[in-house]
Amino acid sequence: DVKVTQSSRYLVKRTGEKVFLECVQDMDHENMFWYRQDPGLGLRLIYFSYDVKMKEKGDIPEGYSVSREKKERFSLILESASTNQTSMYLCASSLVAGSGANVLTFGAGSRLTVL
Amino acid sequence: KQEVTQIPAALSVPEGENLVLNCSFTDSAIYNLQWFRQDPGKGLTSLLLIQSSQREQTSGRLNASLDKSSGRSTLYIAASQPGDSATYLCALSSSYKLIFGSGTRLLVRP
Repeated sequence: DVKVTQSSRYLVKRTGEKVFLECVQDMDHENMFWYRQDPGLGLRLIYFSYDVKMKEKGDIPEGYSVSREKKERFSLILESASTNQTSMYLCASSLVAGSGANVLTFGAGSRLTVL
Repeated sequence: KQEVTQIPAALSVPEGENLVLNCSFTDSAIYNLQWFRQDPGKGLTSLLLIQSSQREQTSGRLNASLDKSSGRSTLYIAASQPGDSATYLCALSSSYKLIFGSGTRLLVRP
């Protein structure tokens, strides 16, 4: 089974701190994604990457950046955390099969609280 | 722009009941549709994947159908159990990413 591991399940940070959320997958997937999930808003795509050193903005990239130096690792960076970034962050990966059929596997999530 | 709607937002049923969760979408040009389960405070677990060319998929007590022409998918849960209590999300793939519905929160009462 594909495993997607998010290094931190719970984090508490202060406003203005730099925050790193790490995600590692072990099945050689090309695509990796970062979503945030908020009550009433569902899952929203922040950034995704389809190859090493490649990144694309999702629907809500403002206030975030990403890094993909190795195929198995995709990091989400909050340069200066703000209280409105308190959320559940979900990482996912996929192997594009056939004609763009993305089948996503998710990590367990990282619950970030910014005080 | 693709929009995905799940109705109802919440559902409470007694144990043993058969139930249907609904997912509707506005653009029929999709590659596949996935149903996920999410337990409180946890990540998403994939339940069923229906490719664009398929009409339904089954796994145990779960059956998912897809009708692209009407923009609808349903997740049927037979003989519901308290352990089925969770939030169920549908997600559509039309390109490089998934678009999620907001989910249906299911409670199965013993």
